Amino acid sequence: GENVEQHPSTLSVQEGDSAVIKCTYSDSASNYFPWYKQELGKRPQLIIDIRSNVGEKKDQRIAVTLNKTAKHFSLHITETQPEDSAVYFCAARSGGNQFYFGTGTSLTVIP
Amino acid sequence: DTEVTQTPKHLVMGMTNKKSLKCEQHMGHRAMYWYKQKAKKPPELMFVYSYEKLSINESVPSRFSPECPNSSLLNLHLHALQPEDSALYLCASSQDMRTATTNYGYTFGSGTRLTVV
Repeated sequence: GENVEQHPSTLSVQEGDSAVIKCTYSDSASNYFPWYKQELGKRPQLIIDIRSNVGEKKDQRIAVTLNKTAKHFSLHITETQPEDSAVYFCAARSGGNQFYFGTGTSLTVIP
Repeated sequence: DTEVTQTPKHLVMGMTNKKSLKCEQHMGHRAMYWYKQKAKKPPELMFVYSYEKLSINESVPSRFSPECPNSSLLNLHLHALQPEDSALYLCASSQDMRTATTNYGYTFGSGTRLTVV
């Protein structure tokens, strides 16, 4: 099955700086990679996603990059704000059509 | 309607109680999922229903019993739970887990925060 690893597990940045979270996956047949943001006590919410036929996608301050050869993908948040503080999960949709989640990154943006 | 609705939002139950969690979506999604999530940990897959049939059971103890009465509803029946079963239970849905579709992603419900005492 698929194995998704996520780093770092915790990340603190100053407001206005950039944050980068990285994930690797093992199943070369994985074809879709969403990122979820989960605030304390709330549901995971999809913030950006990328398909395997695309190398980069951007939505305002958030971007995701995918390197299929190396089997890794990354979330980039620029100009971070305190409201970006949350736990972020990456996920990979495997060739078997199941989603596998990374272990999560707790991001703290310091005002 | 682009939401997955879960009820109740909070549930406290004793170890001898029987209760049910409910999940509803009206987006025409044909795959529905139950996840269990502990604090600051990723969601753990429990069950997957595809076209109202149970397609995946991730070796979940029998004290958890899923049911999919129709394509819009998903229940999780609870009986004789243990304190370690206390967690956030998340329902999710997606268009179809069998075929490639335009929208691959999950929509999560708000969850039921379960406490077993």
